[in-house]
Amino acid sequence: AQSVSQHNHHVILSEAASLELGCNYSYGGTVNLFWYVQYPGQHLQLLLKYFSGDPLVKGIKGFEAEFIKSKFSFNLRKPSVQWSDTAEYFCAWGDDKIIFGKGTRLHILP
Amino acid sequence: DGGITQSPKYLFRKEGQNVTLSCEQNLNHDAMYWYRQDPGQGLRLIYYSQIVNDFQKGDIAEGYSVSREKKESFPLTVTSAQKNPTAFYLCASGPQVFSTDTQYFGPGTRLTVL
Repeated sequence: AQSVSQHNHHVILSEAASLELGCNYSYGGTVNLFWYVQYPGQHLQLLLKYFSGDPLVKGIKGFEAEFIKSKFSFNLRKPSVQWSDTAEYFCAWGDDKIIFGKGTRLHILP
Repeated sequence: DGGITQSPKYLFRKEGQNVTLSCEQNLNHDAMYWYRQDPGQGLRLIYYSQIVNDFQKGDIAEGYSVSREKKESFPLTVTSAQKNPTAFYLCASGPQVFSTDTQYFGPGTRLTVL
């Protein structure tokens, strides 16, 4: 069965630190990859997505992700985090349906 | 303004009772989805629907039922057969059930079974 793995369940960083959240998907032929974010008390919303073209994808709020086919990875990055980035982040892979990873809780210390 | 509404935000029920969670969207989307979110488990797909009067089971459909009589509405019933119903339930919609489309999520309903 297809699956999505997020390596870190809980990450704590100080403001201005660099961020990288890992995501790996199992082989499935189709490559449709997403990062969603859930800020405290808010709806789950899309950060960015990739399905073809430039493997470096830029999303909202300064986030980016790089698709590396050989590693089946789609890691999320941000060069300098802010306190407002505190949220839960979900990687997802899609084919005939979307499969979500278990999420990473990111806590930014002010 | 456009979006997805779920009601109620919090719901309490006694064990053994069926309960129906509401989901309405005014985005004119064909596809609608129900997920269950548990701490450390991520989102797990319960049911999805590509079009009115059609729906498919997701990964954890046992103990749940849905209907899709109208394009804008996709209610979820949590039956007494669901062994562990206490959870946060998220409804989502999208233009169609193709994986490149962004899903738009509602605010969720937190169900607690006493």
